[in-house]
Amino acid sequence: GESVGLHLPTLSVQEGDNSIINCAYSNSASDYFIWYKQESGKGPQFIIDIRSNMDKRQGQRVTVLLNKTVKHLSLQIAATQPGDSAVYFCAETLSGYSTLTFGKGTMLLVSP
Amino acid sequence: NAGVTQTPKFQVLKTGQSMTLQCAQDMNHNSMYWYRQDPGMGLRLIYYSASEGTTDKGEVPNGYNVSRLNKREFSLRLESAAPSQTSVYFCASSLRQGLAYEQYFGPGTRLTVT
Repeated sequence: GESVGLHLPTLSVQEGDNSIINCAYSNSASDYFIWYKQESGKGPQFIIDIRSNMDKRQGQRVTVLLNKTVKHLSLQIAATQPGDSAVYFCAETLSGYSTLTFGKGTMLLVSP
Repeated sequence: NAGVTQTPKFQVLKTGQSMTLQCAQDMNHNSMYWYRQDPGMGLRLIYYSASEGTTDKGEVPNGYNVSRLNKREFSLRLESAAPSQTSVYFCASSLRQGLAYEQYFGPGTRLTVT
């Protein structure tokens, strides 16, 4: 819930703006990446994923970009809405592994 | 289809008390996970069960035990609670054995140890 947001990087945008949330992942061997959204008081929800053989993947209003050279992921949200306000986490894994490694998260605040 | 359910939603314990957090999923998933979430720390894996009958330690297993009771249920036990275990605990499940793809999370249990 609200305690999740303490000490997190925060991105504040106006409704209608495009948002870009960044994530540096840790393992150069990771080949599968996921973005999760966590609203206050709830568990994380899957948004979009990407495999390492892709540089870009688009969903509904969201796009994930992967730069393997610098181990960087970004999540772009088009026409950001107040309902997009949440903490966003990236996660990485290696195919065949049972577990995900999560980043520390970024809080997105959307003002009307 | 309730997805992943957790009980209780909130709990306050005194140091040294024990308790079990319950988790159940109705999606016929093979793999289940327990995480803790602390401010600014993201999600850290405590234990996981890749399939019924197996459990493995994650990043922060000390002070916890788990039981995969059946395919649906995966419980987390604190034998002797400590203030350092104050956290929000999430259970998750995923479809396929050996793959962490698309983990589905429960609503969490907020635990305070005084």
